Amino acid sequence: AAGVIQSPRHLIKEKRETATLKCYPIPRHDTVYWYQQGPGQDPQFLISFYEKMQSDKGSIPDRFSAQQFSDYHSELNMSSLELGDSALYFCASSLNLAGLSTDTQYFGPGTRLTVL
Amino acid sequence: AQSVAQPEDQVNVAEGNPLTVKCTYSVSGNPYLFWYVQYPNRGLQFLLKYITGDNLVKGSYGFEAEFNKSQTSFHLKKPSALVSDSALYFCAVRDIANSNSGYALNFGKGTSLLVTP
Repeated sequence: AAGVIQSPRHLIKEKRETATLKCYPIPRHDTVYWYQQGPGQDPQFLISFYEKMQSDKGSIPDRFSAQQFSDYHSELNMSSLELGDSALYFCASSLNLAGLSTDTQYFGPGTRLTVL
Repeated sequence: AQSVAQPEDQVNVAEGNPLTVKCTYSVSGNPYLFWYVQYPNRGLQFLLKYITGDNLVKGSYGFEAEFNKSQTSFHLKKPSALVSDSALYFCAVRDIANSNSGYALNFGKGTSLLVTP
């Protein structure tokens, strides 16, 4: 079965640079979530989109922004990168049919971002 | 806010023995609870969930979890552990604070399971 696809899998950036992470949800899934997992930490929710509209916002820095496109893929844009942004960034997707959420979020393999 | 706690950083068990990974929850209203497993340098894999219904939930790879409302617990169990079960296990609860779709998950700190031959 098709899974969540994330690209790139690894990314190395310098401080103050920008980065764009991409997420392709499972086909027919309409909701995308972004999580950040620091070294040895649990995943922390950043932001989510349902039907291309922002649906929930967590601990996402103002330097980050995200959107969901018409084909349901999502991009997380990160600017003015800091050393502390080094983490594993996960995208997850789920299917929410007119509010009848299936609840289960399926996660991608993650993008490992290293800021030097 | 909804939260879960995993009181053990690490659980060690011998192969073939039963395993339990503990999780307790704190929610307002009915809990939606999940277990995920993470292998090194991999994403989170869904194991099972409790939404409503039977308190004993069966999931992938022979895992099951028991929802206990009186003890506010959702412990993950497996009757016979395998070395390949060694991984990081996360309990999570759906945050229902917002009424919109796209419910974030609040994760516990994770429990490292080590199954020795």
